[in-house]
Amino acid sequence: AQTVTQSQPEMSVQEAETVTLSCTYDTSENNYYLFWYKQPPSRQMILVIRQEAYKQQNATENRFSVNFQKAAKSFSLKISDSQLGDTAMYFCALSPGYSSASKIIFGSGTRLSIRP
Amino acid sequence: DVKVTQSSRYLVKRTGEKVFLECVQDMDHENMFWYRQDPGLGLRLIYFSYDVKMKEKGDIPEGYSVSREKKERFSLILESASTNQTSMYLCASRTPGQGNGELFFGEGSRLTVL
Repeated sequence: AQTVTQSQPEMSVQEAETVTLSCTYDTSENNYYLFWYKQPPSRQMILVIRQEAYKQQNATENRFSVNFQKAAKSFSLKISDSQLGDTAMYFCALSPGYSSASKIIFGSGTRLSIRP
Repeated sequence: DVKVTQSSRYLVKRTGEKVFLECVQDMDHENMFWYRQDPGLGLRLIYFSYDVKMKEKGDIPEGYSVSREKKERFSLILESASTNQTSMYLCASRTPGQGNGELFFGEGSRLTVL
């Protein structure tokens, strides 16, 4: 069975601070992909960052970076210099296997609030 | 710009009614998905389709069916709506190729069943 667990239902930080969102997963596949998606209030879900399991180097996208610990099955998202526009629901997701024709499993989400 | 369009943003239906949720994408993607989003539960996969007329059950298919007659359109059907199907429904399509393909989501359809 494939599972994704986000243990932080809500987080709140001050603008400009750094925040880390946690995610653990489980899969029996040797190859898989991990994602973080962002859902701003009343807006569409968008991709923040993705990581291939076979790559040891952690992915980065501007202020967003991940800490991928394969042995621990952990995939956390770090947001540096947080901005008001980062306020959103964040979902960690797992795509097992090699193909895009496979299900993507999502976690329960973390509601992140950035305070001015 | 990529576009996934869900036909209805808000619907109110009565118990026992048949409900159709339509989703159209303009990116020529083979893979399309229907998720249900509930607070505290995240997104749960109902069905997905990897080609025209092809479908696979997700984690919570009970009470739902789908139709994919054309590549760009993926419909979710509630044969007999029940109150426990009150939820936000999200459609997505996915870039093809390897498993790192990105999901593109619609704006969601919020369904209330009375």
